[in-house]
Amino acid sequence: GAVVSQHPSRVICKSGTSVKIECRSLDFQATTMFWYRQFPKKSLMLMATSNEGSKATYEQGVEKDKFLINHASLTLSTLTVTSAHPEDSSFYICSARTPQGAGHSSYNEQFFGPGTRLTVL
Amino acid sequence: QKEVEQNSGPLSVPEGAIASLNCTYSDRGSQSFFWYRQYSGKSPELIMFIYSNGDKEDGRFTAQLNKASQYVSLLIRDSQPSDSATYLCAGQNSGYSTLTFGKGTMLLVSP
Repeated sequence: GAVVSQHPSRVICKSGTSVKIECRSLDFQATTMFWYRQFPKKSLMLMATSNEGSKATYEQGVEKDKFLINHASLTLSTLTVTSAHPEDSSFYICSARTPQGAGHSSYNEQFFGPGTRLTVL
Repeated sequence: QKEVEQNSGPLSVPEGAIASLNCTYSDRGSQSFFWYRQYSGKSPELIMFIYSNGDKEDGRFTAQLNKASQYVSLLIRDSQPSDSATYLCAGQNSGYSTLTFGKGTMLLVSP
């Protein structure tokens, strides 16, 4: 399957600081990437859909000014958690959708990055 | 409101048995379904997807879809302790829309 990387894998920061998380598709170009958040023992919650070259689409209840998403290239999307607070502590996971054709399924296969565990003190 | 429902489990099966994981969905517009496996502390890993009624087999895994009953299942044959994980079912209602995930079912395979 396609490979998606995330960096950093783990970050601990003080309350009020900003944290940037990178998501990269390593062996394919992803016009669309997704950002999820997962609290302990809970399911994945989609935060936003990141489209290359355009503004991200945020899910209801997700503050776009707090969770800044930039999808500057076909292989890189970044999520910045601004002014992080302890309640933002969570497991943040990105996924990238493989493009149609070229040996990939046309049925929206999403491949996930390894996740970033954010702890805000 | 699109919903995908899964029993949280845990579902416990002995090694070598067949594990049956079930999922129901509320959106009749859902067309494709995906099964992901997630180990504790790790991100989800795609196992397989299905979009046609009936069965789809891939190795020890068989996905089953019944659109009339709005029901999706995943069978794991010859279960191994390494299959112990949370299995997430996700639905998608058009070719390129977002996925709606269930809360997952925890599977425990005992040696």
